[in-house]
Amino acid sequence: DVKVTQSSRYLVKRTGEKVFLECVQDMDHENMFWYRQDPGLGLRLIYFSYDVKMKEKGDIPEGYSVSREKKERFSLILESASTNQTSMYLCASSYRGTNEKLFFGSGTQLSVL
Amino acid sequence: QKEVEQDPGPLSVPEGAIVSLNCTYSNSAFQYFMWYRQYSRKGPELLMYTYSSGNKEDGRFTAQVDKSSKYISLFIRDSQPSDSATYLCAMSQTRSDFYGSGNTGKLIFGQGTTLQVKP
Repeated sequence: DVKVTQSSRYLVKRTGEKVFLECVQDMDHENMFWYRQDPGLGLRLIYFSYDVKMKEKGDIPEGYSVSREKKERFSLILESASTNQTSMYLCASSYRGTNEKLFFGSGTQLSVL
Repeated sequence: QKEVEQDPGPLSVPEGAIVSLNCTYSNSAFQYFMWYRQYSRKGPELLMYTYSSGNKEDGRFTAQVDKSSKYISLFIRDSQPSDSATYLCAMSQTRSDFYGSGNTGKLIFGQGTTLQVKP
C-alpha cells in the first residue's frame, strides 16, 4: 500500500520556537508538496518541490522554508513559530508530469501557544 | 472573491438520500476538475477526475461539469454512513504538474463541504 507518512500527528510548540515537520513517501514520486488546511480557507499551498534540492514557493511561503535532501523526504521548517501558524499541515506527493492525483499524508495538527 | 467557492455545510442527510455537492469558480481557463474525499483525521484522497464539460460516473458517484456556468457538481446516489466525510473540489488549467507549466498546473482547492449521512 502506497504511503505518505508525516512524522507527528499532533505538535504543540511555543511562539518563537523553530519547528520541523517531516514527510516521507515510499512511491518514488518526483513531486512533493506542503499545504496548510484551515477552516473556511481550504487547502493553501506553502511550498512544493519537483526534484531533490529543488523548491518553489506556493501561495503562502512567508514564515516557512523547506528542505529536500533526498527524493523520498520533504521537510517544512517554521523558522520562528507564531500563533497564526497554528493549523493542520498536509504533505502530498505525485508523479512528475501529471497533477490530478496527489497522495496525501494524514496531516500534522500544529498548535503554537 | 475566491477563485473557487464551495459551501462548507455541514450537510446532513438520511441514509439512502441523493446528495449534491457543488463548486463554482471564476477562472474560465480551468479545464481539469477533481473531487477529493477527506475522512476525519485523514488526508484527502482523489475520488473523481474529469476533463472539460460533461458527466463522469463511477459507481454511486457522478461528477458533472458545466463550463458555461462555471459550476461543477458531485452527486452521490444511495448515500451511506461511510460517505460521511469532507468533500473538496479542486481544479487546474492544465494537466501538467508545476514543472515546466508555469502555474497553470497548480491545483486550486475549494474550502470543502462536510457531509454527514445518518443511519
